[in-house]
Formats: sequence, C-alpha cells, structure tokens
Amino acid sequence: GQNIDQPTEMTATEGAIVQINCTYQTSGFNGLFWYQQHAGEAPTFLSYNVLDGLEEKGRFSSFLSRSKGYSYLLLKELQMKDSASYLCAYSNAGNMLTFGGGTRLMVKP
Amino acid sequence: EAGVTQFPSHSVIEKGQTVTLRCDPISGHDNLYWYRRVMGKEIKFLLHFVKESKQDESGMPNNRFLAERTGGTYSTLKVQPAELEDSGVYFCASSQVGRYSPLHFGNGTRLTVT
Repeated sequence: GQNIDQPTEMTATEGAIVQINCTYQTSGFNGLFWYQQHAGEAPTFLSYNVLDGLEEKGRFSSFLSRSKGYSYLLLKELQMKDSASYLCAYSNAGNMLTFGGGTRLMVKP
Repeated sequence: EAGVTQFPSHSVIEKGQTVTLRCDPISGHDNLYWYRRVMGKEIKFLLHFVKESKQDESGMPNNRFLAERTGGTYSTLKVQPAELEDSGVYFCASSQVGRYSPLHFGNGTRLTVT
C-alpha cells in the first residue's frame, strides 16, 4: 500500500498562510521533495530537505523531521496563482521518487 | 534552457493497438525517468535510465511496456498491445548526476485507451 500521506484538499484565503503536511514511512531515505503542479502541466520542483529543519525559499518553506517521518510545506502571502496541487515525494537510492497523492490547494479571494 | 519535452501531448487509441511515447530530456541530463499517473492515483515510478542503460525498471507494469534510450539522448516508451488500464498520464523527467539533483518533468502524454 501507499506509505506516504498528505491531505487530499485544502482551502485558504488570499494573503493568508497555509501549511500542507506530509507523513511517510520508508527505509533508505535520501531526501524529501515538494513539487507544484497546475492542472495539465508538468510538476515543477519547489524544494527539498535532506537534513532535519526548515528550508526557506521566498514565500515557500519546507520542514523535515526524519525521526518522525514528517514534512510540511508552508506557503505565505498566498496568491490566487498558488491554487494548484502540491506533491510530496521522498527519494531513496537511485533518486527514484515515491509520490503522495497530492494536495489540491484552492486559494479564494 | 529548454525543458523536458514530450510527444504527443495526447493520444487516443483502441485496445490492442500500439503507441509510442517520446521524451526529450534537458540537454546534458544523464538521468531520465518515466512515471505514470493513472486516474485518481498517485504518480508512480516506471523506470530510470542513466545515459543509455536501464538503471532500474522495477516499476514497469508488465512486458507490454518497452522503454529505450538509444544513444543516451531521447527516450521512447512503447505500449504494445495497449489495454484499457494503461490509460493515464505518462510523465518523463530528467536530472543531472548527483544525489539530490531535482527532477525536471515534462508536461506528460495523456494516453486514453478505448
């Protein structure tokens, strides 16, 4: 079965902050990646975490706790264009990514 | 730089027919991956090339699927004969050599088998 979980859908208001959680179980963990995907388009790389802690990249930040098998993506100052699916994925040997089902974020005015 | 390009963007075929999908990775990327998303499911790994060699093909569903990467540049994924359950979006991705090199994805080929 699937061993990486994230919420299916979330809704937030323009200008607000939203946190998308992801939990996973795996051995041979190499890193945790976040991708953004707009409908009908390619998933685009947002961030990755290899070590525990917070990685900040402009309005987006990602956090990892390897001992807890937990990550989150934090989006600040939400904009309408941030409405998309957010994919959590872990990598193991060979850079093979195992994806969660994605979280569909809807940003409302 | 040009991104990962996939052709065709859409394909509708009948059960039993053959379809070949093509992927052109970013120039200089030795790693090339095929992934698939079946309706309502997560994106799943199919296989991984390093240059022209298959590094890992553990995700290939069965022997109706054949991937090649002759010359280590573009790759093709052939489905023969296609079945209804092969319908989905087939993504190609490429990356540079390096343990944490992010994958760059193409827009995918939406395959519909009727």
